[in-house]
Amino acid sequence: GAGVSQTPSNKVTEKGKYVELRCDPISGHTALYWYRQSLGQGPEFLIYFQGTGAADDSGLPNDRFFAVRPEGSVSTLKIQRTERGDSAVYLCASSLGTSGIGGELFFGEGSRLTVL
Amino acid sequence: DQQVKQNSPSLSVQEGRISILNCDYTNSMFDYFLWYKKYPAEGPTFLISISSIKDKNEDGRFTVFLNKSAKHLSLHIVPSQPGDSAVYFCASGGYGGATNKLIFGTGTLLAVQP
Repeated sequence: GAGVSQTPSNKVTEKGKYVELRCDPISGHTALYWYRQSLGQGPEFLIYFQGTGAADDSGLPNDRFFAVRPEGSVSTLKIQRTERGDSAVYLCASSLGTSGIGGELFFGEGSRLTVL
Repeated sequence: DQQVKQNSPSLSVQEGRISILNCDYTNSMFDYFLWYKKYPAEGPTFLISISSIKDKNEDGRFTVFLNKSAKHLSLHIVPSQPGDSAVYFCASGGYGGATNKLIFGTGTLLAVQP
């Protein structure tokens, strides 16, 4: 498809379980971002990749969260020992780069995570 | 500590009239500001942006105004259409040269009544 693809669209899990969320960015986009949107809030930055490397992971809330992008395209956000507070919509976005005014991110539809 | 604030959670406007969505920020070091629009069950989509060196940017029915002294920006939609009904997020970026990280407000739900 032409847009950013995220799977699964919905994930329900139990507290303490491990979860993986996948993002397939727009072809040719070198920059990839993960954001998290909790109920009633705006998207909150988690991590940014430029190519294969995590250029900025300052938004990851703790060491239970980890993300990879091994070949510079698809990315996986991994959450260990999930907690109820991790329940949110996890948004992935991509962009051509970060030059100039930047900011025009193309978002996927998100993965809604519910931790029971 | 919310650096970008949208104090109106919702706004209702008649079709054809002007919609004005407001946003306040606390950090004067942001380089640029953006508005994103979000429909239910979809990701946010980029609408319009403005550099901190400008005070106005216009794109069709959408105009963003920036008042740096007041640390305030607004999005004007005129004329408003029912298809504009969505959640609008204000975002800021470029602090410390970090063009990658956007800080979003909590959003304003706009309802345009036919």
